[in-house]
Amino acid sequence: QSVLTQPPSASGTPGQRVTISCSGSSSNIGSNHVNWYQHLPGTAPKLLIYNDNQRPSGVPDRFSGSKSGTSASLAISGLQSEDEADYYCAAWDDSLNAPVVFGGGTKLTVL
Amino acid sequence: EVQLVESGGGLVQPGRSLRLSCAASGFTFDDYAMHWVRQVPGKGLEWVSGITWNSGTLGYADSAKGRFSISRNNAKNSLYLQMNSLRAEDTALYYCAKDAGSGGRSSTFDYWGQGTLVTVSA
Repeated sequence: QSVLTQPPSASGTPGQRVTISCSGSSSNIGSNHVNWYQHLPGTAPKLLIYNDNQRPSGVPDRFSGSKSGTSASLAISGLQSEDEADYYCAAWDDSLNAPVVFGGGTKLTVL
Repeated sequence: EVQLVESGGGLVQPGRSLRLSCAASGFTFDDYAMHWVRQVPGKGLEWVSGITWNSGTLGYADSAKGRFSISRNNAKNSLYLQMNSLRAEDTALYYCAKDAGSGGRSSTFDYWGQGTLVTVSA
């Protein structure tokens, strides 16, 4: 059971907008930044969103992040086939001896 | 160009040890914290351990505590993970990841290696 809770799956059609949620607690999302990673099978995970809502250089502005209280969301607009991947949220947790926590991951399918 | 290249994985019997290495290039290694993250086949990402720029340990996953030890050699631009008393459940792809900072309260890993596979089986 992951400390951060994500839906196991999400789907959308090309051009659609999809959101993926990440739920945590006051010791992680509630007091620390959230980061999002995109992971395609057989490749290295890629930082997609950092510090809740910042995009690294090279990440399209179709990807956006937001946070409110102890929950965060990743939104993908103008969905494309190449967006089909696993998405993970992550945060620092102040209450654990293992301070970096990941969500269980969401498998995004582009229909 | 930032590059992280893991090595040292392989097939090992339960109870034995293995040492993973990560060779870093393309950035000033001793300015940044580093981490190990693993993915059990068919499962999600799990943080294993992290180390600050000056070798302060950030902690270990409960599954690794007491058995794994993280270290780094800044002169060699290298990160290590010593894994002892290996179990079948340690079978995973182990990734080396660069922190965006030097070792604060961060889960921002801006570069990752391709991973090295560890298989624990008799």
